[in-house]
Amino acid sequence: EAGVAQSPRYKIIEKRQSVAFWCNPISGHATLYWYQQILGQGPKLLIQFQNNGVVDDSQLPKDRFSAERLKGVDSTLKIQPAKLEDSAVYLCASSSSTGAHEQYFGPGTRLTVT
Amino acid sequence: QKEVEQNSGPLSVPEGAIASLNCTYSDRVSQSFFWYRQYSGKSPELIMSIYSNGDKEDGRFTAQLNKASQYVSLLIRDSQPSDSATYLCAVNSGGGADGLTFGKGTHLIIQP
Repeated sequence: EAGVAQSPRYKIIEKRQSVAFWCNPISGHATLYWYQQILGQGPKLLIQFQNNGVVDDSQLPKDRFSAERLKGVDSTLKIQPAKLEDSAVYLCASSSSTGAHEQYFGPGTRLTVT
Repeated sequence: QKEVEQNSGPLSVPEGAIASLNCTYSDRVSQSFFWYRQYSGKSPELIMSIYSNGDKEDGRFTAQLNKASQYVSLLIRDSQPSDSATYLCAVNSGGGADGLTFGKGTHLIIQP
């Protein structure tokens, strides 16, 4: 079974530029999460999707961050405009809607904002 | 605000000994508890989940949960150098919005 896929793996941009990250969850997983992990910290939830609907976006900085999961499968997270403090690893995770709801993470995208 | 607390370490343990990692959480309605292992430069990898009070064993790993004390721990028996990593404790409240709240992680070093 293929794991969670993310791209790109690395991205370097200048502040005030925009950037987008893509995630494809484990096949059949209805729930998809985006987390932000700053160096030395644990991951922080940004947004949770159930199929193509948003379940929780309470910690998403909506003035600059947006996310969508239009067809209920893959998802895109966008930052516009980026700030220096957005430098972090952006992790996508998915879980099945049945059973233990364990979350499995993709390899992440390391973003550096200069 | 939900909080998960872990000692950041580093925790240094001799090879072959038992490593004990601890975690406390603030939200009493938390229902699901997870331990993730994260190697430097890699993403978190799920190693244990526990949902009810008591112990849960899986190979060399044992998770322990005490909801009354809001405490969860991870024991690693016969520690190996390959166990050297950061261990992240995570909790969620169950229900529909089940995003995880993570601690900052404990850096574990197994000394050969």
